[in-house]
Amino acid sequence: GENVEQHPSTLSVQEGDSAVIKCTYSDSASNYFPWYKQELGKRPQLIIDIRSNVGEKKDQRIAVTLNKTAKHFSLHITETQPEDSAVYFCAASPMDSNYQLIWGAGTKLIIKP
Amino acid sequence: DAGVIQSPRHEVTEMGQEVTLRCKPISGHDYLFWYRQTMMRGLELLIYFNNNVPIDDSGMPEDRFSAKMPNASFSTLKIQPSEPRDSAVYFCASSQIPGQPNTEAFFGQGTRLTVV
Repeated sequence: GENVEQHPSTLSVQEGDSAVIKCTYSDSASNYFPWYKQELGKRPQLIIDIRSNVGEKKDQRIAVTLNKTAKHFSLHITETQPEDSAVYFCAASPMDSNYQLIWGAGTKLIIKP
Repeated sequence: DAGVIQSPRHEVTEMGQEVTLRCKPISGHDYLFWYRQTMMRGLELLIYFNNNVPIDDSGMPEDRFSAKMPNASFSTLKIQPSEPRDSAVYFCASSQIPGQPNTEAFFGQGTRLTVV
């Protein structure tokens, strides 16, 4: 079955700098890769997603890149701001999973003022 | 729409007691998911429903856990008897066709369960 590994578990960056979170997956049949943001004490919320027929997707300060050959995808946040502090989860959805999002363990992003 | 609504927000119960968590999905969403979140195990999918029918319950930890969806607007997750290791935040989420464009999973605010 699918397995998703996420690194790092904690990331601390200076406000204004960029942050990159990486995930690898094992099932080459996975075709959908969402990223969720969970602020402290709140629910996870989708911030960006990418499908396997696209290599990169951007939405203002956030972007996701996908390398199907290497089976990894990354979240990039530029010009980080205090409100970016949260736990970020990646996930992968194997095409034959009859829908089941396989989640990474999460990355706690800390933005230092 | 008010989003996915879960109740209660917090539940403290004694070991051995029955616990029932409730969820109202977003109207029009055909899929409903129950997740458990802990520091140790992260986000775990327990069970999901499509059109009120349980599709995959392989994530349900043991027979003490059961879930029902009697209609399109209501689902329950029951733990009987509860144990301290069940302490976690339980999320309910709903979506239209999962994994398709513009069909994200919307999470409820969660139920924080503490079993003492």
